[in-house]
Amino acid sequence: ELKVEQNPLFLSMQEGKNYTIYCNYSTTSDRLYWYRQDPGKSLESLFVLLSNGAVKQEGRLMASLDTKARLSTLHITAAVHDLSATYFCAVDGTGGFKTIFGAGTRLFVKA
Amino acid sequence: ETGVTQSPTHLIKTRGQQVTLRCSSQSGHNTVSWYQQALGQGPQFIFQYYREEENGRGNFPPRFSGLQFPNYSSELNVNALELDDSALYLCASSFFPETGVIDEQYFGPGTRLTVT
Repeated sequence: ELKVEQNPLFLSMQEGKNYTIYCNYSTTSDRLYWYRQDPGKSLESLFVLLSNGAVKQEGRLMASLDTKARLSTLHITAAVHDLSATYFCAVDGTGGFKTIFGAGTRLFVKA
Repeated sequence: ETGVTQSPTHLIKTRGQQVTLRCSSQSGHNTVSWYQQALGQGPQFIFQYYREEENGRGNFPPRFSGLQFPNYSSELNVNALELDDSALYLCASSFFPETGVIDEQYFGPGTRLTVT
């Protein structure tokens, strides 16, 4: 059964600092996603990672994928308050069916 | 290009009642998935519909059922509502080619269901 674990589950950090969120998954997958969710809102797609060694960057966020280790990271560079949100990683099962989400990392960036 | 839309936005129901939530998929998409997100948790996969048939199901009881229509829109029906059914219900659409892997899914804004 595909399982997805994120850590940390809660992260409070100062503006300007760097930090990494980790996502481990239990079985082979075709695709890994990172999403952002603001309170009361739907999911905003940040990154889709398809292959081993994939690295994508958007602004202060960079995501990477190691399929051999079944590990993805979301690195935050020089955090700003606007990055405060909950970040989810999610993994597709074989064939793209049944996307499984992690529990989420609640990020709070203090000004 | 029209994105994924859901209705209603908010809904309040009483325990034991039935509810129907609706989802219109993004233009060109033929697959719809439904997720339940309880407060403070990650979304949980309910089921997926492709070609008007259920194409995979998560760990949800039979009182959660769905439909997909020829225009690829979808409904989620929940019977005998329980307090724990209170959640944000998210619909996502994607394109599944005849051969190969389903493309990335796109989420709608969600329906907030409160059961009292």
